[in-house]
Amino acid sequence: GQNIDQPTEMTATEGAIVQINCTYQTSGFNGLFWYQQHAGEAPTFLSYNVLDGLEEKGRFSSFLSRSKGYSYLLLKELQMKDSASYLCAAMDSNYQLIWGAGTKLIIKP
Amino acid sequence: DTAVSQTPKYLVTQMGNDKSIKCEQNLGHDTMYWYKQDSKKFLKIMFSYNNKELIINETVPNRFSPKSPDKAHLNLHINSLELGDSAVYFCASSQEASLPYNEQFFGPGTRLTVL
Repeated sequence: GQNIDQPTEMTATEGAIVQINCTYQTSGFNGLFWYQQHAGEAPTFLSYNVLDGLEEKGRFSSFLSRSKGYSYLLLKELQMKDSASYLCAAMDSNYQLIWGAGTKLIIKP
Repeated sequence: DTAVSQTPKYLVTQMGNDKSIKCEQNLGHDTMYWYKQDSKKFLKIMFSYNNKELIINETVPNRFSPKSPDKAHLNLHINSLELGDSAVYFCASSQEASLPYNEQFFGPGTRLTVL
């Protein structure tokens, strides 16, 4: 079956760095997405990886290893506004997104 | 200018009723989606639809039906509502379903509560 695993919740301190891991199993693979979802709001796109390696975009970076079925989202210089759920989603061979349950990130001062 | 809009934002109704949720996108996208997000926060695809093809998640009861009057609209109609239908329903759109890089833009969500 198709499956996405990510931690349910993580806590980090303002100004620090946090890494959110995601492992995936899909029928075929067409890329790995990360979305941010603040409480009571819609998900918004953060990043897309389809090749192995690290993609950096400001304070956020995303990494992919296709051979390991693994990705992580790295958030640097954490701000209070980064408190949100972070959703990992893998695109299968039918171009359908398979979503994880999300990792709730709590930022403490 | 709202890219993807949904109405209503909140919907409270009785079991057994029929209801519709409307979705409109002004991004000129070819593909639209309906998702259900339950209390455990899993986003589950219900339908994806473009001008050519409707893809239905086989786990979706046939009480749920998408209706698309045109490319910019995909409404969700639900018959005989059940308690388990209570969730947040998100509409989304993207340029083209069969492209790998396929960022989806989400509407604000409709919180459905069935009493």
